Amino acid sequence: ETGVTQSPTHLIKTRGQQVTLRCSSQSGHNTVSWYQQALGQGPQFIFQYYREEENGRGNFPPRFSGLQFPNYSSELNVNALELDDSALYLCASSLRGRPTDTFGSGTRLTVV
Amino acid sequence: DQQVKQNSPSLSVQEGRISILNCDYTNSMFDYFLWYKKYPAEGPTFLISISSIKDKNEDGRFTVFLNKSAKHLSLHIVPSQPGDSAVYFCAASEGTTSGSRLTFGEGTQLTVNP
Repeated sequence: ETGVTQSPTHLIKTRGQQVTLRCSSQSGHNTVSWYQQALGQGPQFIFQYYREEENGRGNFPPRFSGLQFPNYSSELNVNALELDDSALYLCASSLRGRPTDTFGSGTRLTVV
Repeated sequence: DQQVKQNSPSLSVQEGRISILNCDYTNSMFDYFLWYKKYPAEGPTFLISISSIKDKNEDGRFTVFLNKSAKHLSLHIVPSQPGDSAVYFCAASEGTTSGSRLTFGEGTQLTVNP
């Protein structure tokens, strides 16, 4: 049973640029959620995807967008990067109806 | 509006003693609560959970207690081991039919000293 894998592990971008983060969900899991963890804080829910459609969104602006593919993998896209977007981005997968997420190790994004 | 709060940023205990981590929540719609452990450079790892219909759940050295009237839960680790040193996050979800959408606390850094 493979876990959740995320790529890349680290990324440095310039303010105003766009970034795409990738996630492969755990085998058998059909729901993918993305979280942002700022330094010293707990993870904050960005959005969730189920059956390739957004299924709930946290308090994040529209420049945060995502995709889920038929194989349940997912992408997180962030446009017009701001310095405050610097954080650890965590992808989590689960089986719909089961609230226990399995997390990846995250992508550390630094915006300079 | 912080709906899940962990008021202790850090906790230090001796090996073999009990560790008690606390968590408070404000949203009455939360009905499922989880604890995650996180090591540096790793994602959070699920530890133990409890449904709002219960007031206690036990798994080996880990026990979670839920006091719904006080909107408070706690994680007890007995006996504590040095390998338990990590950041512990309390999380809550509102129903399960729509899948998970976890609201996390800020985390508590637990250090277990040999």
